[in-house]
Amino acid sequence: AQKVTQAQTEISVVEKEDVTLDCVYETRDTTYYLFWYKQPPSGELVFLIRRNSFDEQNEISGRYSWNFQKSTSSFNFTITASQVVDSAVYFCALSEAFNFNKFYFGSGTKLNVKP
Amino acid sequence: DGGITQSPKYLFRKEGQNVTLSCEQNLNHDAMYWYRQDPGQGLRLIYYSQIVNDFQKGDIAEGYSVSREKKESFPLTVTSAQKNPTAFYLCASSSRTEFSNQPQHFGDGTRLSIL
Repeated sequence: AQKVTQAQTEISVVEKEDVTLDCVYETRDTTYYLFWYKQPPSGELVFLIRRNSFDEQNEISGRYSWNFQKSTSSFNFTITASQVVDSAVYFCALSEAFNFNKFYFGSGTKLNVKP
Repeated sequence: DGGITQSPKYLFRKEGQNVTLSCEQNLNHDAMYWYRQDPGQGLRLIYYSQIVNDFQKGDIAEGYSVSREKKESFPLTVTSAQKNPTAFYLCASSSRTEFSNQPQHFGDGTRLSIL
């Protein structure tokens, strides 16, 4: 069964719009970690955030914010006032405590921000 | 600066040829990983290594081999047995801490094509 689902394959917005990228995960472990990565056209994955399963507080970092809801098994990512430089593929990933080396990546959401 | 260096950036393989992708890190990380990324898809784990002289198969290890003789280095060989090697290959590393799943840090990737 797929552990991480990113249902939005591609999203296009105009600069300054807000955009939310969805991530739904599946695990039976009570202790787990969720991650978001950004992959710009250059190819390297850039780590954005890590959240453990015991911390449901939302987090904000500049124009980025993350909403973690265990009740719906979701860890959504919002970019406020999007910019062209935000154009990239964004991946959500899950790592379970009992198998910390294994990362389950979603299939990614390609974000196109147009000027 | 600390980081992960992958080389070459582009690689071409002839029929029946083995090729080796290099991955070097100076982050003093114990764990290293190799992923394969196909267009429009997420990352699939090929091999990973938690410590020197030890490595484990991931989800798609067939047709690939690795070695981990030094902490800093984790080369991946794509053998002639891998019939569809054309893909983007990403190397990653992370701290090995059993009780706090650390984020993986990625290199810039190697794009492999068949001639």
